[in-house]
Amino acid sequence: KAGVTQTPRYLIKTRGQQVTLSCSPISGHRSVSWYQQTPGQGLQFLFEYFSETQRNKGNFPGRFSGRQFSNSRSEMNVSTLELGDSALYLCASSPGQGSGYTFGSGTRLTVV
Amino acid sequence: GENVEQHPSTLSVQEGDSAVIKCTYSDSASNYFPWYKQELGKGPQLIIDIRSNVGEKKDQRIAVTLNKTAKHFSLHITETQPEDSAVYFCAASPGSSNTGKLIFGQGTTLQVKP
Repeated sequence: KAGVTQTPRYLIKTRGQQVTLSCSPISGHRSVSWYQQTPGQGLQFLFEYFSETQRNKGNFPGRFSGRQFSNSRSEMNVSTLELGDSALYLCASSPGQGSGYTFGSGTRLTVV
Repeated sequence: GENVEQHPSTLSVQEGDSAVIKCTYSDSASNYFPWYKQELGKGPQLIIDIRSNVGEKKDQRIAVTLNKTAKHFSLHITETQPEDSAVYFCAASPGSSNTGKLIFGQGTTLQVKP
């Protein structure tokens, strides 16, 4: 059974640019959540999508957005990148009943 | 607000000893409490979870206990092995709507000395 796949694994961007990260959930999982992990703030919830609808959103600025496609794959976008956006971005998929979240290996974003 | 406090931040034990990590949550409506293990360069891996209608759950060397009244839960690892060395995170699902959000503790770096 394939796990959660995140691409790319590493990314280097310049301040002011925008970036799109991709997440393919476990087959059959309809929920995808995104998290930002930094040494200072730890793991922080960004948003969650279920059946192409955003069900919940964390306390991040509007520069962070996401979407989910009909095949449950999800993308997150960060516009106007800032140095502080450097982090490991993780996605987690679940069947959607509020448990069993499986994480991918993450995308390491570095903003220079 | 929603908050999960985790202690200790670092824990060093000898191989074969037990390790205990404790977490406290603020939202009394939380009903799902997973524990994750994160190794260097990898994403968090779910190792055990518990729902609010259960007081204790065990899986081989790992056990989790939940005290809803006190709003705290703990991870117990017995007979620790060097491969247990990693960062462990507790988490709580706030509210009762099950909408994909987990609030994480700050993590505990566990070192098991051979």
